[in-house]
Amino acid sequence: QVQLVESGGGVVQPGRSLRLSCTASGFTLNTYGVHWVRQAPGKGLEWVALISLDGSDKRIADSVRGRFTISRDNSNNTVYLQMDSLRPEDTAVYYCARELVVPPRHYNYYMDVWGKGTTITVSS
Amino acid sequence: DIVLTQSPATLSSSPGERATLSCRASRTISTYLAWYQQRPGQAPRLLIYDASTRAAGVPARFSGSGSGTDFTLTISSLEPEDSAVYYCQQRSNWRFGGGTRVEI
Repeated sequence: QVQLVESGGGVVQPGRSLRLSCTASGFTLNTYGVHWVRQAPGKGLEWVALISLDGSDKRIADSVRGRFTISRDNSNNTVYLQMDSLRPEDTAVYYCARELVVPPRHYNYYMDVWGKGTTITVSS
Repeated sequence: DIVLTQSPATLSSSPGERATLSCRASRTISTYLAWYQQRPGQAPRLLIYDASTRAAGVPARFSGSGSGTDFTLTISSLEPEDSAVYYCQQRSNWRFGGGTRVEI
């Protein structure tokens, strides 16, 4: 079964760091670009970051630029989101999602498989 | 930055009825628009991409149309399981619209 699984969430104090992981099963993650999208409690979806399939291209939302970093380890089939200097407004469910691929096209702006999400709570 | 505005905020309807959801872009985006469905407590699900192409496994009652700045998601005959929030999303900065809640 094709699925993504996020891990690494939890409760963290403001100013601290956390690293989220996104792993895949049922497919090879290193053939896809991967996004992180977050959703604050009761709010809509906010795109956070994108990394290309080979890791050469990384994009970060203005709201987290300079604090969040996206990376990947294709040997371990894992994508990471390093979150530093966390703020209360970063409290959200964080989803990883893979880019849509309809061979031979890679649509790095659409997301067709999503994980169930991991919850980050930033609070003192 | 391109902003997507969705309307209505909430749509209340009955099974079998037709639902029309709107998404308006602040600048032209050609047909680079997707629609997602998010049921309560679940992750989003891709329904439509490139404004009108149904994603794999999406029922035919879901259809998308539009280009430029005005887009529509139509659910031709509502089913109870269509109760969800629907988001549009564009490619230039990957941003989502604010969502439309569909209550059945």
